[in-house]
Amino acid sequence: EDQVTQSPEALRLQEGESSSLNCSYTVSGLRGLFWYRQDPGKGPEFLFTLYSAGEEKEKERLKATLTKKESFLHITAPKPEDSATYLCASPPEGGATNKLIFGTGTLLAVQP
Amino acid sequence: EPEVTQTPSHQVTQMGQEVILRCVPISNHLYFYWYRQILGQKVEFLVSFYNNEISEKSEIFDDQFSVERPDGSNFTLKIRSTKLEDSAMYFCASSPSTVGISYTFGSGTRLTVV
Repeated sequence: EDQVTQSPEALRLQEGESSSLNCSYTVSGLRGLFWYRQDPGKGPEFLFTLYSAGEEKEKERLKATLTKKESFLHITAPKPEDSATYLCASPPEGGATNKLIFGTGTLLAVQP
Repeated sequence: EPEVTQTPSHQVTQMGQEVILRCVPISNHLYFYWYRQILGQKVEFLVSFYNNEISEKSEIFDDQFSVERPDGSNFTLKIRSTKLEDSAMYFCASSPSTVGISYTFGSGTRLTVV
């Protein structure tokens, strides 16, 4: 069964303390690995899509990387406004589907 | 920046009643979706819609659920005879083409069944 697994479930950082979130996937024939940010009571907000091992994308303090089995979301010198739940997602195997399978997310809290 | 709009933001309904959740997707998008998120759980796919018909649905999307695009702008999710376990956040999303280009999600409707 295609799966997306995120760790840790929760992460508390001090402002400026860099760290990484992990997303491992078991989807064969990856058709994209997506990262979203979700604020409480809101819908997921798109951050990045990665397609092939070795690919990297950056946006402000966030950098997403991809290997053959996992993706990392690196957060450099985080600020309190980076506090949110970070979700990763991937389409399941098979070319006919447009749906996304989501992980359970990592709840990030950045303390000033 | 274009956005997906959902109404209402919060709906409370009695068990057994019918509810309609409304969405206005981004105007030039062709694919439309409904997802739900039960409190503390994963975001789960319900249904995708393309060219005025359902293109895929999950096991969750049984006969209790239906979707419709009644005009050129709205996309609705109807839940007949609501159950307590239907309480969740329901997210609408749209995309311009296939999943290679990511979705834009709405802010969601919080459905509470009492």
